[in-house]
Amino acid sequence: KAGVTQTPRYLIKTRGQQVTLSCSPISGHRSVSWYQQTPGQGLQFLFEYFSETQRNKGNFPGRFSGRQFSNSRSEMNVSTLELGDSALYLCASQTTGSSYNEQFFGPGTRLTVL
Amino acid sequence: DAKTTQPPSMDCAEGRAANLPCNHSTISGNEYVYWYRQIHSQGPQYIIHGLKNNETNEMASLIITEDRKSSTLILPHATLRDTAVYYCIVRAVGETGANNLFFGTGTRLTVIP
Repeated sequence: KAGVTQTPRYLIKTRGQQVTLSCSPISGHRSVSWYQQTPGQGLQFLFEYFSETQRNKGNFPGRFSGRQFSNSRSEMNVSTLELGDSALYLCASQTTGSSYNEQFFGPGTRLTVL
Repeated sequence: DAKTTQPPSMDCAEGRAANLPCNHSTISGNEYVYWYRQIHSQGPQYIIHGLKNNETNEMASLIITEDRKSSTLILPHATLRDTAVYYCIVRAVGETGANNLFFGTGTRLTVIP
């Protein structure tokens, strides 16, 4: 079974631009969570989607948004990029919305904001 | 709101057992202890989890104290490929349990040849 895939793997943007990252969960998984990892703040939860609805949201500004499609694929968008948005963005999928199930992480998208 | 405390770094000789401690003194009755690891620049990888009984799988063993305030992850025969940051996480599990994992700072384990 294929793992979680994320595209693109690397991205360079400039301040003020916006960016869209994509995550394809493991086949059959319906929940997708997004995390941001920076050297200073570590791994931080952004949001979780289940059945096309946002279920949980971390403490990030409204510039960070996401959505989930009917095939469970998810995208996250960051508008008006700032230098501090440079990070590794990870997505994780699990079979259902229940936290009984394990989360499987993708390789991440490394975003650099210049 | 860190719920776990781990040493920032540890070294282990290749072939020896690596014992990674974690304190979670405020753990609630419905919270499990999870361990993930992250090898440099890769996504975190699930290792093991437990509630109150000791657990073992093909990767590791998890020993949880009787009062559940601390636990130890044991890699029985560490290899160079086990060099990674290891995260201990407490997580409420259930139909309404939150799916956001709080990773903390973890322990950087270095396996030495």
